[in-house]
Amino acid sequence: AQSVSQHNHHVILSEAASLELGCNYSYGGTVNLFWYVQYPGQHLQLLLKYFSGDPLVKGIKGFEAEFIKSKFSFNLRKPSVQWSDTAEYFCAVNTNMFSGGYNKLIFGAGTRLAVHP
Amino acid sequence: NAGVTQTPKFRVLKTGQSMTLLCAQDMNHEYMYWYRQDPGMGLRLIHYSVGEGTTAKGEVPDGYNVSRLKKQNFLLGLESAAPSQTSVYFCASSYVGPYEQYFGPGTRLTVT
Repeated sequence: AQSVSQHNHHVILSEAASLELGCNYSYGGTVNLFWYVQYPGQHLQLLLKYFSGDPLVKGIKGFEAEFIKSKFSFNLRKPSVQWSDTAEYFCAVNTNMFSGGYNKLIFGAGTRLAVHP
Repeated sequence: NAGVTQTPKFRVLKTGQSMTLLCAQDMNHEYMYWYRQDPGMGLRLIHYSVGEGTTAKGEVPDGYNVSRLKKQNFLLGLESAAPSQTSVYFCASSYVGPYEQYFGPGTRLTVT
């Protein structure tokens, strides 16, 4: 089935540790890729996005993600996490393969990140 | 510029009751969406709209209806609430094309 998979459901890190969250998708065609973050009690905010061009994209708060087309992956990274990065992270994809065009985002199940001081 | 707003923030319903969730955006976006968020399942699209007067089904439309009478508003209705509809509901909007979506603060609905 076509899907967006986030392999880590819960991640616990200490401050200053490096972070990598996996995201794989199984859609063909042209894809647009997003990472959203949801801080406790808040709504989803865009962290970064990839539409085309340089497959290494940089987002807010020191996050970056790399699009590897051959692996259908868009992993999120941060070299050194902070306690304030505690949140739930969602990978999302839209693609021209959906009826109705590009406007439907399919989300992964999310990864809960807890950063301990 | 308030972005995307949702009312109410919280609601408790009894099985069989009806209610309407209101979403409003002030960014002049053409597209609007309703999602539900359940633990371990991410966000799933219920219905969406590509313009005033239009609506379309998403991934999980059963038990919900929507209306987009004004460009800035997108209403989600539950005609006969069921416990399976206990969830957090998010509204979002976007410009035309493959752009990011902007989300509202969510409505936590509990159906007993």
